[in-house]
Amino acid sequence: KAGVTQTPRYLIKTRGQQVTLSCSPISGHRSVSWYQQTPGQGLQFLFEYFSETQRNKGNFPGRFSGRQFSNSRSEMNVSTLELGDSALYLCASSPGQGARMNTEAFFGQGTRLTVV
Amino acid sequence: GQQVMQIPQYQHVQEGEDFTTYCNSSTTLSNIQWYKQRPGGHPVFLIQLVKSGEVKKQKRLTFQFGEAKKNSSLHITATQTTDVGTYFCAVSGYSTLTFGKGTMLLVSP
Repeated sequence: KAGVTQTPRYLIKTRGQQVTLSCSPISGHRSVSWYQQTPGQGLQFLFEYFSETQRNKGNFPGRFSGRQFSNSRSEMNVSTLELGDSALYLCASSPGQGARMNTEAFFGQGTRLTVV
Repeated sequence: GQQVMQIPQYQHVQEGEDFTTYCNSSTTLSNIQWYKQRPGGHPVFLIQLVKSGEVKKQKRLTFQFGEAKKNSSLHITATQTTDVGTYFCAVSGYSTLTFGKGTMLLVSP
């Protein structure tokens, strides 16, 4: 079974630009979560999607958005990039049958975003 | 939302020494998960604890869930260089996992 796939792996963008990151979950998994990882703040929850619906959102500005497609693939978008958005963006998938995340989360390799 | 404090932030041990990381919450937890992230890698699930006082072992790793379900620990016996990485605890909420800040483990040969 293929794991969680995130593309691209690395990205360099300029302040003010926007970026779209992609995540393909494990086949059969309907829940996709996004996390931002930085040395100072650790792993911070961005949002979670299940069957194309956003079920929860973390404490991030509206510049961060996401969506999920009918095949469970998900994208996240960051508009008007700031230097502080430089981070590792991780996507995790799980079966997601229930809203409580009490099953193993499978993480992708992440996208390393650098904003210059 | 729920918050978990994880200590220590960092530990450097000699190969063969033991290592323990602790995760504490001010509220009762429904469950707790542990993940390991190798340098340059992504978090990988290790285990989930659900029951009060639960103890689970995976080879040299021992996981405990406190009786009050407010704390948990991960203990590694006789560390090896392959144990290097950051260990995170995570608690489940509504459609989210809240992670501790992690404990970075360095092992010198």
